[in-house]
Amino acid sequence: DAKTTQPNSMESNEEEPVHLPCNHSTISGTDYIHWYRQLPSQGPEYVIHGLTSNVNNRMASLAIAEDRKSSTLILHRATLRDAAVYYCILREDILTGGGNKLTFGTGTQLKVEL
Amino acid sequence: DGGITQSPKYLFRKEGQNVTLSCEQNLNHDAMYWYRQDPGQGLRLIYYSQIVNDFQKGDIAEGYSVSREKKESFPLTVTSAQKNPTAFYLCASSMRRDRGGYGYTFGSGTRLTVV
Repeated sequence: DAKTTQPNSMESNEEEPVHLPCNHSTISGTDYIHWYRQLPSQGPEYVIHGLTSNVNNRMASLAIAEDRKSSTLILHRATLRDAAVYYCILREDILTGGGNKLTFGTGTQLKVEL
Repeated sequence: DGGITQSPKYLFRKEGQNVTLSCEQNLNHDAMYWYRQDPGQGLRLIYYSQIVNDFQKGDIAEGYSVSREKKESFPLTVTSAQKNPTAFYLCASSMRRDRGGYGYTFGSGTRLTVV
């Protein structure tokens, strides 16, 4: 399974933008980049995903490097409710035999302060 | 509203006993997954199923068993052979033939404690 590398923790002030980086130098051409976040004692929540182009949704934006070896999750205005562990995951294409699995790392703990 | 229901939320088990965790989804998803999470760690895949009556071992399947007799249900049995079963268990589902372009939906988890 392809692997990702994220910082263990990051801090932000409320109402400021947050850029969460992720390195995935061994990504294959058919791997999708997924982001999830998890609050304490809850199941992970889907945030966003992309393949090659930058993506925006109501929760966040995903910026993907041109060579696809890294990506950045952007929270435009952090709130206290955004404090969570954020996971960057490569989802393998089922048609390449990837099994449609998500392999989680330890993620980035985001702390948001007033 | 569609979603995944895991029950119970908290479960206590005596050593040497088998216990079954329930996972039900009404999202019409083909694939279902079981993950285990230990304190301060990421999620590790136990078993997954792409279609009814078929399932595959994940990275840490020893001491666990599953069944997939219905599309909506994917129960996980933690057997007495599992040496360290105390953990937070998460069930998830997704579309199968989505080419990686759809997200997983997770349940709210079952916290199992061996006493």
